[in-house]
Amino acid sequence: KAGVTQTPRYLIKTRGQQVTLSCSPISGHRSVSWYQQTPGQGLQFLFEYFSETQRNKGNFPGRFSGRQFSNSRSEMNVSTLELGDSALYLCASSGGPSSYEQYFGPGTRLTVT
Amino acid sequence: GESVGLHLPTLSVQEGDNSIINCAYSNSASDYFIWYKQESGKGPQFIIDIRSNMDKRQGQRVTVLLNKTVKHLSLQIAATQPGDSAVYFCAETRLYGNNRLAFGKGNQVVVIP
Repeated sequence: KAGVTQTPRYLIKTRGQQVTLSCSPISGHRSVSWYQQTPGQGLQFLFEYFSETQRNKGNFPGRFSGRQFSNSRSEMNVSTLELGDSALYLCASSGGPSSYEQYFGPGTRLTVT
Repeated sequence: GESVGLHLPTLSVQEGDNSIINCAYSNSASDYFIWYKQESGKGPQFIIDIRSNMDKRQGQRVTVLLNKTVKHLSLQIAATQPGDSAVYFCAETRLYGNNRLAFGKGNQVVVIP
């Protein structure tokens, strides 16, 4: 069974630009969560989607948004990029609507210059 | 590889010795706890979980202890191997209807051959 895949793995953007990151969950998983990882703040929850609906949202500005498609693949978008958005963005998939063995992808390393 | 954190508490352990990693969690309403291992360049990998109705759970070479009175979690690794070198995170959440994980800051484990 293939694991969680994220594309692209590395990305360099300029301040003010926008970016879209993609996550393909494990086959059959319907929940996708996104996390931001930085040296200063650690791993922080961004949002979670289940069956194309956003169920939970973390404390991030509205510049961070996401969506989930009918095949459970998910995208997150960050608009008007700031230097502080440089981070490793991780997505995790889970089989059901409750926390149980969330499986993480390798992440997308975003650098904003 | 990816730098997953700066200034993390570091545990240096001799190969073959046992390791103990500690974590204080914050939400007394949390009822599900997970330990993750993150190696350089990879996403967090599930190690072991425990529900709040238990105080101990054992896996292969790992044991998690939960003390709800003082909101403390620990991970014990028996016969530590070089492949155990990584950053270890504890995470807490509410089990039902919620896939939102709150992560601790992480502990770096360095295994000395």
